[in-house]
Amino acid sequence: KAGVTQTPRYLIKTRGQQVTLSCSPISGHRSVSWYQQTPGQGLQFLFEYFSETQRNKGNFPGRFSGRQFSNSRSEMNVSTLELGDSALYLCASSPAANEKLFFGSGTQLSVL
Amino acid sequence: EDKVVQSPLSLVVHEGDTVTLNCSYEVTNFRSLLWYKQEKKAPTFLFMLTSSGIEKKSGRLSSILDKKELSSILNITATQTGDSAIYLCAVIPNAGNMLTFGGGTRLMVKP
Repeated sequence: KAGVTQTPRYLIKTRGQQVTLSCSPISGHRSVSWYQQTPGQGLQFLFEYFSETQRNKGNFPGRFSGRQFSNSRSEMNVSTLELGDSALYLCASSPAANEKLFFGSGTQLSVL
Repeated sequence: EDKVVQSPLSLVVHEGDTVTLNCSYEVTNFRSLLWYKQEKKAPTFLFMLTSSGIEKKSGRLSSILDKKELSSILNITATQTGDSAIYLCAVIPNAGNMLTFGGGTRLMVKP
């Protein structure tokens, strides 16, 4: 069974640009959640989608948004990039709520 | 606000040593506690603990949850260099998959 796939692996952007990250969950998994990992703040929850509906949202500004498609694939978008958005963005999938999450290898975003 | 604290922050041991990593939590609606190992990028799942006092084991790794003390420990016996990683503890609430992570313990195992 293929694992969680995130693309691209690396991204370099400049301030003010926008970026879209993609996540394909494990086949059959309906829950997809996104996390931001930085050396200073650790792993922080961004949002979770289940059956195309956003179920939970973390404390991030409105510049961070996401969506989930009918095949459970998910995208997250960050608009008007700031230097502080530089981070590893991790996607995780699980079959349903309250089950273990499986993480992808992440997208390393650098904002210059 | 939910909070998860891990200790120690970092640890250096030699191969063959036994280590104990700690995780304490303050959460509004606790459902489960999870342990992950992060070597490079993707955290890999180790254990999920829901009931207090039940030990989960996998080879040289084991973990136990204490709901009364709002804490968990992860034990690694006979450590190997391949155990070098960041170990992450996270709690999962009653609804949804909104994990709150601790800051992690960085373990280095020297040969």
